[in-house]
Amino acid sequence: DVKVTQSSRYLVKRTGEKVFLECVQDMDHENMFWYRQDPGLGLRLIYFSYDVKMKEKGDIPEGYSVSREKKERFSLILESASTNQTSMYLCASSLTASGTVRFGPGTRLTVL
Amino acid sequence: DAKTTQPNSMESNEEEPVHLPCNHSTISGTDYIHWYRQLPSQGPEYVIHGLTSNVNNRMASLAIAEDRKSSTLILHRATLRDAAVYYCILMYNAGNMLTFGGGTRLMVKP
Repeated sequence: DVKVTQSSRYLVKRTGEKVFLECVQDMDHENMFWYRQDPGLGLRLIYFSYDVKMKEKGDIPEGYSVSREKKERFSLILESASTNQTSMYLCASSLTASGTVRFGPGTRLTVL
Repeated sequence: DAKTTQPNSMESNEEEPVHLPCNHSTISGTDYIHWYRQLPSQGPEYVIHGLTSNVNNRMASLAIAEDRKSSTLILHRATLRDAAVYYCILMYNAGNMLTFGGGTRLMVKP
């Protein structure tokens, strides 16, 4: 079964820590996305990538960076975690811009 | 950016059909209409998508208005497992943005 996997389902970090969220897809998809989901705010796009080493800012990139060194892997980095980054983080991928999108199960990050 | 408007919530009885509406009056000619749903504690999953013609798959049907300014997701026989938040999304053919709105929370009563 093809899938998008995320490195952790739950993560607890302290303010100021550097946090890495890893996402891997096994579908040879070109496009990969990182979203965060908060109650009342829905899913908001942080960054996306349409090719290896390519990245584009989404709606809320501040406080985040990303890395895509290999096609199958897209990492979200919180350089210095803050409490307002406590959220559910969802990774997704798609083959084309108009193709279907597959989501990972999500990582619930708590920053203390 | 083209946006979508959906009711916040809807209720249905088990085994009955459900029609989930979506308005997208600013849709452009190359935007695809996608539907995803999110079950509790899971990431969103793909349901169906279309461009102009009505579409059917094993999960649902998608009815697209002739002027494409609205669409309806049809679940032919709702089950308790269909209780979820359903998102209607426009996917831009020329780009990679995928922006979610608030979605419709579907509650299914036994």
